[in-house]
This record gives sequence, C-alpha cells and structure tokens, in this order.
Amino acid sequence: AQTVTQSQPEMSVQEAETVTLSCTYDTSESDYYLFWYKQPPSRQMILVIRQEAYKQQNATENRFSVNFQKAAKSFSLKISDSQLGDAAMYFCAYKRDSNYQLIWGAGTKLIIKP
Amino acid sequence: DAMVIQNPRYQVTQFGKPVTLSCSQTLNHNVMYWYQQKSSQAPKLLFHYYDKDFNNEADTPDNFQSRRPNTSFCFLDIRSPGLGDAAMYLCATSRGRRGSTDTQYFGPGTRLTVL
Repeated sequence: AQTVTQSQPEMSVQEAETVTLSCTYDTSESDYYLFWYKQPPSRQMILVIRQEAYKQQNATENRFSVNFQKAAKSFSLKISDSQLGDAAMYFCAYKRDSNYQLIWGAGTKLIIKP
Repeated sequence: DAMVIQNPRYQVTQFGKPVTLSCSQTLNHNVMYWYQQKSSQAPKLLFHYYDKDFNNEADTPDNFQSRRPNTSFCFLDIRSPGLGDAAMYLCATSRGRRGSTDTQYFGPGTRLTVL
C-alpha cells in the first residue's frame, strides 16, 4: 500500500527567507501524481502545486517550487521569500494513476516569524 | 466563479441528535468526497460518490451516511453524533479522471460541535 510521510510536524522560518518542507512516499508504481495542499488556520484547503511523476522537470508556481526526486521517492516543497500569509498547515498527497483518491501525509505546520 | 460551497459553516448539535451537513458544487465534477478532519490532522476520507455510485471507506462508522440527489449536491448525515464526531467536515470534488492529476477542490468546511 502507498504511504506518504511528512517527517516535520512543524517548521518555522523568518519572513522573506526560504524554507523547504519534506515529503517522502512509498510506492511500487511508476505512474502517479503528487500534490502539495495548503490549509491556513480556519480557512479553506487549497492546491499549491502538483507534479506528474512522468515529468522530469520540477513544477513551479511563483514562489513555490518542488524538488521531485523520483528514485528517492521524495517530493519537497520550497517556499521562497516567505510571507506572513504562507503560515498554514501544508499537506503532501499522492494519487495513483489508476485511481482518483488521494493518500495524505500527516501535515507540516509552517510558522512565519515577522 | 466555480466553487464548492458548504453549509452551514458552523453546526452545533446535541449528543445523539441527528445532523445533516450539505455541500454543493458549480464545477460539474463527477466525484464528491466527504472528509473528516480533526485538529491539525490530515483529512480522513469517509466516503465518496462517483456520479450516483456510492463508495464507502471500510473504517467509516455506520453512524455516517451520505446522499447525492443530483450532480450538484451531496449531504452528510450523522445519525447519532457522539462527542468523538466533533470535527471539521470537508467536502471536495474532482473530475474523477484516472491517468491525470485530477485535482480535488475543497469547500470551506463545516465545523461540527457536539454538546
């Protein structure tokens, strides 16, 4: 069975600095999809970034980028120029190619220090 | 804007008193999901509908039921809420496409309090 591990329950970063959140997963499949979702306190879960496993190029969305290492089964999220609004729970999620349900990591709470 | 709407945003019920949470979507997605999320934890999938086909997770208690009368609406019924059912309930939708990213879009959630 596939599993997703986020080993950092909590991270903190100074405003304007860069922070990297880690995510590893376990799968025997070659085709799959990976996601980072953000859930601010008392607010809606929103998609931050997604990556297709067949794509070698790392996904980027403005200040958010991923380091996808397929062989190592690692999918880390880098947030550049951290802003106060980035404070949230960040969840890593995995989707099989043959399915449409998500397998979730436990989440990392990101604290931004002003 | 296309979106996922949940009502109410906050629901207070008494122990054992049935409660219904609602979700609607304007995305015309095939799949609607119900998740339970407790404080600072990952969402836990309760069940989902692919069109009219209901798919229950094996560990979802019988106390939780769902209805999807049409494409746009889905309801979560908790027949006899216990204190342990106090949580945030998230509704999400997706196209239901295999072989693609098939992103899930979430509603704002309903926070359920059980007294």
